[in-house]
Amino acid sequence: GDSVTQMEGPVTLSEEAFLTINCTYTATGYPSLFWYVQYPGEGLQLLLKATKADDKGSNKGFEATYRKETTSFHLEKGSVQVSDSAVYFCALSSGNTPLVFGKGTRLSVIA
Amino acid sequence: DTGVSQNPRHKITKRGQNVTFRCDPISEHNRLYWYRQTLGQGPEFLTYFQNEAQLEKSRLLSDRFSAERPKGSFSTLEIQRTEQGDSAMYLCASSLGQTNEKLFFGSGTQLSVL
Repeated sequence: GDSVTQMEGPVTLSEEAFLTINCTYTATGYPSLFWYVQYPGEGLQLLLKATKADDKGSNKGFEATYRKETTSFHLEKGSVQVSDSAVYFCALSSGNTPLVFGKGTRLSVIA
Repeated sequence: DTGVSQNPRHKITKRGQNVTFRCDPISEHNRLYWYRQTLGQGPEFLTYFQNEAQLEKSRLLSDRFSAERPKGSFSTLEIQRTEQGDSAMYLCASSLGQTNEKLFFGSGTQLSVL
């Protein structure tokens, strides 16, 4: 079945550092790919998405590019802030199937 | 838009008891999903509704679990004869339209089975 593998955390960075969180997937067909974020005490919320190969999703300074050849959707940000501290989940949906999530990566940004 | 609301936030119960959780989705959203999340894991799909119809159930949803969405508005998730392995965060999400592209999640109900 469909699955998502993302790098294990926790990841601890200093403010203004570069962030990469790796995500690879296994799916039949051509899934849509997502990054969701969960801030402390809040529900998961959609951060960005890409629906086809070579699409780049972006939001709040975060970017991820749908790479079909490497089945990857790595999340990047050039300069993290303390307010980016959260748990990040990579997810996919094939056709109209319910979202399949990775295990999540906890990011802590220190001032 | 008040967001997705889940009640209660926390539930502690003894093994063998029945529990029921409620989810109020965003009012115009036609789809409603239930997920379960344990510590260190991502959300795992349980079931979803389109309006009042339950369209898909995961194999994770044993016979002790039942979900309803009468009138296509709020939903309830009942767990009968709870077991310690049922301890988890139960998440509800809703979305608009025919795809799963943007789900809005509630804050969840944390269940602890003693």
